Amino acid sequence: AQSVSQHNHHVILSEAASLELGCNYSYGGTVNLFWYVQYPGQHLQLLLKYFSGDPLVKGIKGFEAEFIKSKFSFNLRKPSVQWSDTAEYFCAVRENTGFQKLVFGTGTRLLVSP
Amino acid sequence: EAGVAQSPRYKIIEKRQSVAFWCNPISGHATLYWYQQILGQGPKLLIQFQNNGVVDDSQLPKDRFSAERLKGVDSTLKIQPAKLEDSAVYLCASSLAGATDTQYFGPGTRLTVL
Repeated sequence: AQSVSQHNHHVILSEAASLELGCNYSYGGTVNLFWYVQYPGQHLQLLLKYFSGDPLVKGIKGFEAEFIKSKFSFNLRKPSVQWSDTAEYFCAVRENTGFQKLVFGTGTRLLVSP
Repeated sequence: EAGVAQSPRYKIIEKRQSVAFWCNPISGHATLYWYQQILGQGPKLLIQFQNNGVVDDSQLPKDRFSAERLKGVDSTLKIQPAKLEDSAVYLCASSLAGATDTQYFGPGTRLTVL
């Protein structure tokens, strides 16, 4: 069965530090890749997605992610974090076959201190 | 544009009781999803509807969970009888057409089973 791994469960950074959150998946076929974010007290919302084409994807609020097919990875990055980036971040993968259901990782809680 | 609505936001019940959650998707969205998010884990798909038909319910514990989407709009998810391990946030999401479209999430219902 397909699985998604997020190795960092908790990350604490100071404002202006750079961020990289890891995401690896286990499926060998064609996939769509997503990062969702949940700010405190808010809904899950889409940060960015990759379907095909340029493996470097830019999302909202200065986030970007790079799809490296050979490493089955889709890491999220931001050059300089802000206090408002404090949230929980979920990586998700969708197979391009079958029911195409979305499989989520366990999430990474990011705390940015001012 | 109104988002996905869910009610109630919180529910506390005792084990062996029954409970029902309601979801109203974004207007015009054909596909509706119910997810279960246990504390410390990512959301897990329980059931997916396309209009009022079930597309995927392979991860729905059918001995106690049921869901319906009458008229292809609102949906209800029921648990009867509840167990302690059902304590979780139940998320509803919708997408415009099929599984390849972006999913928009509601605020969730936090269920505590005592």
